Amino acid sequence: GAVVSQHPSRVICKSGTSVKIECRSLDFQATTMFWYRQFPKKSLMLMATSNEGSKATYEQGVEKDKFLINHASLTLSTLTVTSAHPEDSSFYICSARRGQGARLAEAFFGQGTRLTVV
Amino acid sequence: GENVEQHPSTLSVQEGDSAVIKCTYSDSASNYFPWYKQELGKGPQLIIDIRSNVGEKKDQRIAVTLNKTAKHFSLHITETQPEDSAVYFCAAGRDFGNEKLTFGTGTRLTIIP
Repeated sequence: GAVVSQHPSRVICKSGTSVKIECRSLDFQATTMFWYRQFPKKSLMLMATSNEGSKATYEQGVEKDKFLINHASLTLSTLTVTSAHPEDSSFYICSARRGQGARLAEAFFGQGTRLTVV
Repeated sequence: GENVEQHPSTLSVQEGDSAVIKCTYSDSASNYFPWYKQELGKGPQLIIDIRSNVGEKKDQRIAVTLNKTAKHFSLHITETQPEDSAVYFCAAGRDFGNEKLTFGTGTRLTIIP
């Protein structure tokens, strides 16, 4: 099946610093990728939709200046958590749907990134 | 927008028995319904999906059924094994690559040896 690769899998950073998470579609092009946040034992919370070559679309309540998204190519989207604080500690997961703009658009997820802010 | 409800939230099943997880959706425009398995510390893995042009799909021990009229779909796992223990999520949306999917709240399945 299609593969979506996410890095790093774990990161620990100090309060006030920024952290970048990468999401790559390895065997298909993705004009659209999705970033989720998942709290312990909870469902996936969509943060934003990343659009190649244009601005990301953020869900209500998600600070766009805090969570910067860049989708510079058809296979790479990045999420940067700026000025991180302990409350930003969470599991972040990206997703991409194959078959962009067409039918048979399965959605695949990256491995997730466990962010711990100390 | 779409709203997906998933039941039960937890399910314990004796090894070898069957497990059934049910989801309902609200948007009649949704035509794509995937199921994901998430193990601890990992991203969700697509295990099976169904589109609105069929009522049932099977892949070895896993099957999914869809009732478009009632707007509900179900995941069936037969002959359960310990490695089936995980959290399962259903999702619903349109079969279009740049649109988001709406996820259920998840079911924690535990297989009792």
